[in-house]
Amino acid sequence: GAVVSQHPSRVICKSGTSVKIECRSLDFQATTMFWYRQFPKQSLMLMATSNEGSKATYEQGVEKDKFLINHASLTLSTLTVTSAHPEDSSFYICSARRDRGHNSPLHFGNGTRLTVT
Amino acid sequence: RKEVEQDPGPFNVPEGATVAFNCTYSNSASQSFFWYRQDCRKEPKLLMSVYSSGNEDGRFTAQLNRASQYISLLIRDSKLSDSATYLCVVPTGGGNKLTFGTGTQLKVEL
Repeated sequence: GAVVSQHPSRVICKSGTSVKIECRSLDFQATTMFWYRQFPKQSLMLMATSNEGSKATYEQGVEKDKFLINHASLTLSTLTVTSAHPEDSSFYICSARRDRGHNSPLHFGNGTRLTVT
Repeated sequence: RKEVEQDPGPFNVPEGATVAFNCTYSNSASQSFFWYRQDCRKEPKLLMSVYSSGNEDGRFTAQLNRASQYISLLIRDSKLSDSATYLCVVPTGGGNKLTFGTGTQLKVEL
């Protein structure tokens, strides 16, 4: 069954609005969650690492003021795309490790397809 | 060398064929590796983990060559349902992050 739940699965919004995406770990606590973005025909690119109780770590080139990450509990991380523009249209996917250790794989949410008109 | 590199394909094979994909990586310190499968417009799903020299699960075999820094995925007796993009994933950034290859597209045909 699903290990990580993501909501909503699809969003269509107008340019300039903000969109919040939720990522929940099911049946386990995730002190760290990862947010990826995937453009058509491209690979997944890590945007940021969400850390419970502290600031997120952003990858180079990702604007922290545009992509707000909040990891307020051990089972929930949120990504808010602020003032969305058409170029932000993409597939956003969160992930987490159910087991401790760098050797354990990531489990992904079902993704959120964002379309900004 | 890129952190993770894959042949994008597509690989078009007939049903029942055996097909292999290679993936090269640059970080010699990486200890574990993963193959994920991604269907069109869906999230990636874990296919196999590779920690030592290799791993086998049914029709799927993953092998690791540390000396040459590549991992391979072999699919035997291909099924139509195997059609997907196969992503090679390698730990980077001290191991906490996972870097994805661009993926290899497989199309299994009748």
